[in-house]
Amino acid sequence: DGGITQSPKYLFRKEGQNVTLSCEQNLNHDAMYWYRQDPGQGLRLIYYSQIVNDFQKGDIAEGYSVSREKKESFPLTVTSAQKNPTAFYLCASSIREHQPQHFGDGTRLSIL
Amino acid sequence: EDQVTQSPEALRLQEGESSSLNCSYTVSGLRGLFWYRQDPGKGPEFLFTLYSAGEEKEKERLKATLTKKESFLHITAPKPEDSATYLCAVATGNQFYFGTGTSLTVIP
Repeated sequence: DGGITQSPKYLFRKEGQNVTLSCEQNLNHDAMYWYRQDPGQGLRLIYYSQIVNDFQKGDIAEGYSVSREKKESFPLTVTSAQKNPTAFYLCASSIREHQPQHFGDGTRLSIL
Repeated sequence: EDQVTQSPEALRLQEGESSSLNCSYTVSGLRGLFWYRQDPGKGPEFLFTLYSAGEEKEKERLKATLTKKESFLHITAPKPEDSATYLCAVATGNQFYFGTGTSLTVIP
């Protein structure tokens, strides 16, 4: 079955620690996205990538970093510079820009 | 400023009681409007894409419509399993903008 796999489902970060969230897709989609979802707020775009080895900042990129070395993979690193990392993180992909995005089941990040 | 607003924030319906959810938008250059369903602790599930005013899409008890300023998601004779948060998103330029969603509860 084609889809998007995010791991882990739950993640805990200690102060000063960087953590990496995994996102893998086997849909052969060109575009991939990372969103953050907080209670009472819409999904906010962190980073997106339209092709391999290229990515752009979204609205809330500060404190986050990404890489896109393979078409299938778009990992997100939450760095120690992100002072409020507790949130539900969602990865999505689309066949190309302006097409429906398909989502993984998210990673919930909390601070220890 | 590009903006997407959904109303109401929450809606409680009796089973079989039809209603509509609203998504109004102010964006420059709409490239598409999308509806999603999100269950607790899960990622959004894609429902519909609408690209131009007057367009309609249907799936089981759901029907989505689009005008130049807003979209409606009509729910006909809802069942308890339709309980979820429904999200609206618009594509413009090189970004998607999501609304905050409508939390729907259908009571048996």
